[in-house]
Amino acid sequence: DAMVIQNPRYQVTQFGKPVTLSCSQTLNHNVMYWYQQKSSQAPKLLFHYYDKDFNNEADTPDNFQSRRPNTSFCFLDIRSPGLGDAAMYLCATSGLAGGPNEQFFGPGTRLTVL
Amino acid sequence: GQNIDQPTEMTATEGAIVQINCTYQTSGFNGLFWYQQHAGEAPTFLSYNVLDGLEEKGRFSSFLSRSKGYSYLLLKELQMKDSASYLCACMDSNYQLIWGAGTKLIIKP
Repeated sequence: DAMVIQNPRYQVTQFGKPVTLSCSQTLNHNVMYWYQQKSSQAPKLLFHYYDKDFNNEADTPDNFQSRRPNTSFCFLDIRSPGLGDAAMYLCATSGLAGGPNEQFFGPGTRLTVL
Repeated sequence: GQNIDQPTEMTATEGAIVQINCTYQTSGFNGLFWYQQHAGEAPTFLSYNVLDGLEEKGRFSSFLSRSKGYSYLLLKELQMKDSASYLCACMDSNYQLIWGAGTKLIIKP
């Protein structure tokens, strides 16, 4: 089945220790998104890729970086996690930017910062 | 600014009907989505409206009024598995989703 996969599902890291979250998709979608979602809050878009074109949201901290080496994979790097970065990180894909396409979400990675 | 408003929490009884409202103000409008999100899981797509009116899909229906900046999600014949958060999201002029914080729906037997 075509799907969006995120690994790991649960990640624990220490304050200031870099961490990488991964996302892969078998949908062959052009657009990939990374969201941060805290409890009982709306998902907050961090950045998205249209193919290899990277689009950073204005209020995304520099601490968050992303890589998309190919269509299928996308990574979220948190260079120095703080306690405030503990959240669910959601990866999503859609078929085409510039159109009203639904977004397909992966199961998320729940990040805990100790 | 851009804003999506929906109630924080609602409670309903198994077998009943519930309506979850959403009001929005966005820079441009390219449609409104409803997503369901169970606790600790990813959102899953429920519906998309871009024209005024009601879209029915099984037990779930979604309504849109663009002139009023208003939508609702109607859930019929509620089941315990419908306990979840329901997220309203608008697509703005840049085709980016602006998300509401979600409505937590609690179903009681």
